[in-house]
Amino acid sequence: DAKTTQPPSMDCAEGRAANLPCNHSTISGNEYVYWYRQIHSQGPQYIIHGLKNNETNEMASLIITEDRKSSTLILPHATLRDTAVYYCIVRVPNRDDKIIFGKGTRLHILP
Amino acid sequence: DVKVTQSSRYLVKRTGEKVFLECVQDMDHENMFWYRQDPGLGLRLIYFSYDVKMKEKGDIPEGYSVSREKKERFSLILESASTNQTSMYLCASSSARGISGNTIYFGEGSWLTVV
Repeated sequence: DAKTTQPPSMDCAEGRAANLPCNHSTISGNEYVYWYRQIHSQGPQYIIHGLKNNETNEMASLIITEDRKSSTLILPHATLRDTAVYYCIVRVPNRDDKIIFGKGTRLHILP
Repeated sequence: DVKVTQSSRYLVKRTGEKVFLECVQDMDHENMFWYRQDPGLGLRLIYFSYDVKMKEKGDIPEGYSVSREKKERFSLILESASTNQTSMYLCASSSARGISGNTIYFGEGSWLTVV
């Protein structure tokens, strides 16, 4: 079973910031938080990951709470192309990596 | 940018045919993976490999085999395709060299229909 909980769907107006929450209350100390998204009929696309510090890259920002039990992915200026299912996962980087994707959040960007 | 390329996006095969799904990555990654994704079942790991000529079974290896003759290439083989193997197949790769978090990167997916 997935170790994360996400809302099933969210709407966001085009041009606004999209804030996608994720709960991972049972995360262990050596697990990273990863975010992927999957646009219909395509493979999952890596967005960002972090361990305990906030992270930012050209796609998004990741805010992890101090207790690491939850995080928020922020898309600063959402566009229609950001419409996708967003997955938050926790994992220990390992060879035999069995990524378990939950149901994710379906993000709708409204024009 | 990391690129994981799957040779075929859409395939239709007949029951009993032998099917090859090819995957190539261009980032010199040690680890490569094959998953299948089905509605309601999420991503399930079929096989993975962390070195040339090495392979390990994942959660659902039955009916599949793999080949890794070169570091950049990982092939999934369906010896005798069956209708319950109709699915989207995803190849992925990652580095084993201790880079923070060793991110897994996915290909675009191959939609296989077995009739």
